[in-house]
Amino acid sequence: QQQVKQSPQSLIVQKGGISIINCAYENTAFDYFPWYQQFPGKGPALLIAIRPDVSEKKEGRFTISFNKSAKQFSLHIMDSQPGDSATYFCAATEETSGSRLTFGEGTQLTVNP
Amino acid sequence: DAMVIQNPRYQVTQFGKPVTLSCSQTLNHNVMYWYQQKSSQAPKLLFHYYDKDFNNEADTPDNFQSRRPNTSFCFLDIRSPGLGDAAMYLCATSRDLGGRGTDTQYFGPGTRLTVL
Repeated sequence: QQQVKQSPQSLIVQKGGISIINCAYENTAFDYFPWYQQFPGKGPALLIAIRPDVSEKKEGRFTISFNKSAKQFSLHIMDSQPGDSATYFCAATEETSGSRLTFGEGTQLTVNP
Repeated sequence: DAMVIQNPRYQVTQFGKPVTLSCSQTLNHNVMYWYQQKSSQAPKLLFHYYDKDFNNEADTPDNFQSRRPNTSFCFLDIRSPGLGDAAMYLCATSRDLGGRGTDTQYFGPGTRLTVL
């Protein structure tokens, strides 16, 4: 019940295309859903996050769509650029009951020029 | 800039030789975490400190220990590294929201540990 399932494992997109990464969870107590971006040899960096009281959050080219009833959320990267090539992790946590992030398995995104 | 700093960035040790990794932060966050990340995997939480309170994950081997002498610093000690302990070790921090849980976790750049 603590798992977060992420797909696809890897994704190749052409420059200017839309990258879509999906995550699903089981624990209905999760109330905070961050996405992290990680470049090779670097630590994960917070990209964007959402709480379940909204269905969508947009920051620049990055959008999270959240479907509470389906227990799914997804990251959309519009106008994908080669510099977006990285590994993306979705995560979930119960903010009010502890500090533990449950990560998805990660998606390796490659954006071809 | 406020940040999470990890030293060294790369550490090579020999099988069974104790090693210490360090983390410091200028964010004044009261929660600090240590994660282990192996190639192509998600970070795995080893333990975390809530102020001085140590919280160990149930599946963290006894070989891994931690110290937090003050708010700014936290250390990861690997008492007898095995080949399977070769990984990236990530430190993260977050801020207590005063009864409403903790804020977003901010990660350091990591220390890449090689065990020969």
